[in-house]
Amino acid sequence: EDQVTQSPEALRLQEGESSSLNCSYTVSGLRGLFWYRQDPGKGPEFLFTLYSAGEEKEKERLKATLTKKESFLHITAPKPEDSATYLCAVRSNDYKLSFGAGTTVTVRA
Amino acid sequence: SAVISQKPSRDICQRGTSLTIQCQVDSQVTMMFWYRQQPGQSLTLIATANQGSEATYESGFVIDKFPISRPNLTFSTLTVSNMSPEDSSIYLCSALGTSGNYNEQFFGPGTRLTVL
Repeated sequence: EDQVTQSPEALRLQEGESSSLNCSYTVSGLRGLFWYRQDPGKGPEFLFTLYSAGEEKEKERLKATLTKKESFLHITAPKPEDSATYLCAVRSNDYKLSFGAGTTVTVRA
Repeated sequence: SAVISQKPSRDICQRGTSLTIQCQVDSQVTMMFWYRQQPGQSLTLIATANQGSEATYESGFVIDKFPISRPNLTFSTLTVSNMSPEDSSIYLCSALGTSGNYNEQFFGPGTRLTVL
């Protein structure tokens, strides 16, 4: 069974204080690792899909990287509007998405 | 990409009743899905909504409790039947991007259901 573990559960940052979120996974044949952002009361917003170890993708202050066992989401010089829950998910050979529990990021001005 | 809307956005229902949630996508998509997100938890796949055939349910979810329709490539409904307080949750519709590739999957805003 596919497993996705995210850490930490919660992260409180000062504006401009860069940090990283971790997503470790166990999957039978990785067909994509997904990052989403979810604001309170809203559905997940698609950010990135990564496929192979060494791959990196960036969007504004966010950069996602992938190894064979984990992915990191780096937030560079965060702003209060980056406050959200960040979800990691993996798609395996059965083509279903399995989600982690998420990391809730709070950025204080 | 795909823009997904859901109705209703929220509802409060009595135990034993049923609620049907509608999901509309702004373009034709191959695959649509229904997820549940219980308070403080992550997303759990309920079923894959198949166009023109019966939905494919995940372990722990059954058709009698969560009947699903998908009459065309842009629309699906999920019914939560004979509700109990344990069904209080956010229900999310999801779809692959219009390319049909599995490299993008989008979500609607969710329906927040409270069962009294």
